[in-house]
Order: sequence, then structure tokens, then C-alpha cells
Amino acid sequence: GAGVSQTPSNKVTEKGKYVELRCDPISGHTALYWYRQSLGQGPEFLIYFQGTGAADDSGLPNDRFFAVRPEGSVSTLKIQRTERGDSAVYLCASSLAGQGTYEQYFGPGTRLTVT
Amino acid sequence: AQRVTQPEKLLSVFKGAPVELKCNYSYSGSPELFWYVQYSRQRLQLLLRHISRESIKGFTADLNKGETSFHLKKPFAQEEDSAMYYCALKFGNTGKLIFGQGTTLQVKP
Repeated sequence: GAGVSQTPSNKVTEKGKYVELRCDPISGHTALYWYRQSLGQGPEFLIYFQGTGAADDSGLPNDRFFAVRPEGSVSTLKIQRTERGDSAVYLCASSLAGQGTYEQYFGPGTRLTVT
Repeated sequence: AQRVTQPEKLLSVFKGAPVELKCNYSYSGSPELFWYVQYSRQRLQLLLRHISRESIKGFTADLNKGETSFHLKKPFAQEEDSAMYYCALKFGNTGKLIFGQGTTLQVKP
């Protein structure tokens, strides 16, 4: 079946602009995660949704970052007033549930470049 | 604090040689550990998890709680094993993962 998809695959924006990154999880997966991967680093947790609610947003670096999942499926990561340090690959993953031993399936990522 | 350390950025071996990718973790609870792999131009995918105690593509990893390690091993490396490998720790009741910095495995012919 279809895996996790993310759009756009690449996004170039100017410093100070607003961006939205979209994630389509695997159908039926209630858990959704966002990670950020900077160059030369492993993925870093940002936020976790169980259904429609953000159950853990402890990884969001500051209040410029926000994410929603209004219908419990598609999620959008929103970044306001982008900074050059926000440049990274943003990964989305989904799993059947957050608790338990369910595998997380990753999307291809969105490469964000802030100029 | 929870942490995953992969001390080697790059590991280069010849085809047929044994491989060991190191991973150490720091976690006060009962750890659940994974190895993820990313082949060139592909997405991140699960290779194996310690609770399954399985061998995938000839790779195995044993959790050593005394040494807080979860090293990935393969007795005979193949060229198709060349990839980026990440060790990850799942903690809390949300399933979130903490990743190490990753090790690039390069298998030379």
C-alpha cells in the first residue's frame, strides 16, 4: 500500500517568511510524529500526535513552530518567521499507535532551505 | 538525560569482512532500542529492534544492559550494505525516538 508521503519534497524560502510542510500518514495510523534532521545529525523529535491532539510537543524548538492534525489524518507543520537555522530535512512518521511496539514508518522528508 | 551515542561517523570495510557498528545509550528506564537504515536516495526504514531478537539481512544486535550498548553486527559485509545506519531509543509512553548521529557504512569491493 501507499507509504507516508510528504509535500513539498523541497522548499526554498527567504528568511522571515512563513512555510507549511504537509504529511500524509499511512491510512489507519493514529500516531504521527514530526522529526527534524540537520546536516550530519540524526533525526530529532519535534512533536507527536495521537489522533487529532498533540500529545507531546516537547521537541518544538520555540513558538515559531506549530503543527496541526485537525481530522486525525493529514498533518501540517507550520514555521513562522523562518530563520537560516531552520534549514533541515523535516521528516514525518506514522504508526498504528504511539504506545506498544508498533513500527514507525517514515516519509521521504521535506528539505527546507532558508536563504 | 536520555542519549544515544554512535561514536563512528564512518566505517569502511572490505566486502566479506565482519562489521560492527557501535551504539551506546543512556536511559534510566527499561530501554527499547532499534536500528534504522537509510540507503542512498531511500527513506529511513526499520532494520531491527532488540525485542524481536531477529536477524535481518544477516545483521544482529544484542542489548547489553550492563554496558548500555546495542551494537549492530554482521559477520560478512556485502556491498549492498553500504548505507547510513542510525541507532534509536524509544522512551516514554508516546513512542518518540531519540536517534544517534548515525554511522555511514561503506563496503568496498
